Amino acid sequence: GAVVSQHPSRVICKSGTSVKIECRSLDFQATTMFWYRQFPKQSLMLMATSNEGSKATYEQGVEKDKFLINHASLTLSTLTVTSAHPEDSSFYICSARLEETQYFGPGTRLLVL
Amino acid sequence: DAKTTQPPSMDCAEGRAANLPCNHSTISGNEYVYWYRQIHSQGPQYIIHGLKNNETNEMASLIITEDRKSSTLILPHATLRDTAVYYCIVRSLWAAGNKLTFGGGTRVLVKP
Repeated sequence: GAVVSQHPSRVICKSGTSVKIECRSLDFQATTMFWYRQFPKQSLMLMATSNEGSKATYEQGVEKDKFLINHASLTLSTLTVTSAHPEDSSFYICSARLEETQYFGPGTRLLVL
Repeated sequence: DAKTTQPPSMDCAEGRAANLPCNHSTISGNEYVYWYRQIHSQGPQYIIHGLKNNETNEMASLIITEDRKSSTLILPHATLRDTAVYYCIVRSLWAAGNKLTFGGGTRVLVKP
């Protein structure tokens, strides 16, 4: 149990375009999901907390207008990277909270050319 | 949330027990100790968590000292597939958003 999926697993896009990443909890409902970003050889950095039916809470330094988060259902949260630039290239990972524990998706590798 | 200190890396022999230490000397009474691991290019995998009692599951054992200032994750029989970065995180369940803050972790290399 407690499986979280992400789609796509990897994406390449041109600079200036927008990319949407989906995060789904497959066998449980999650009122809270989280989005992280990880650059090469670095640890995970929390970007935002996604709450079902309400606005996301962003960490300091994360632009909410650039990283749009929607948590429209108890099993789906989406992260849209708007007007992507090469510096947005990273590994994006979501997690979903079930009771006391967060379970992570497999990650989405974004490359912006 | 309390900060944790882990060795940056360690090697383990395949088939032997791997003991991963974590120091969390500023942990408060309502903070749990969580362990996750991240295999290269994958999302973190939940391993185990505990408050003050020792815990065991099918993956590992968690030993928390009586004063709760440190803990040890034990992989009973390390395999090559256990090579990963292991993160020790302390977190209060009542903290706003129940956030997890990842430190540098311990890079574990299991050798044949």
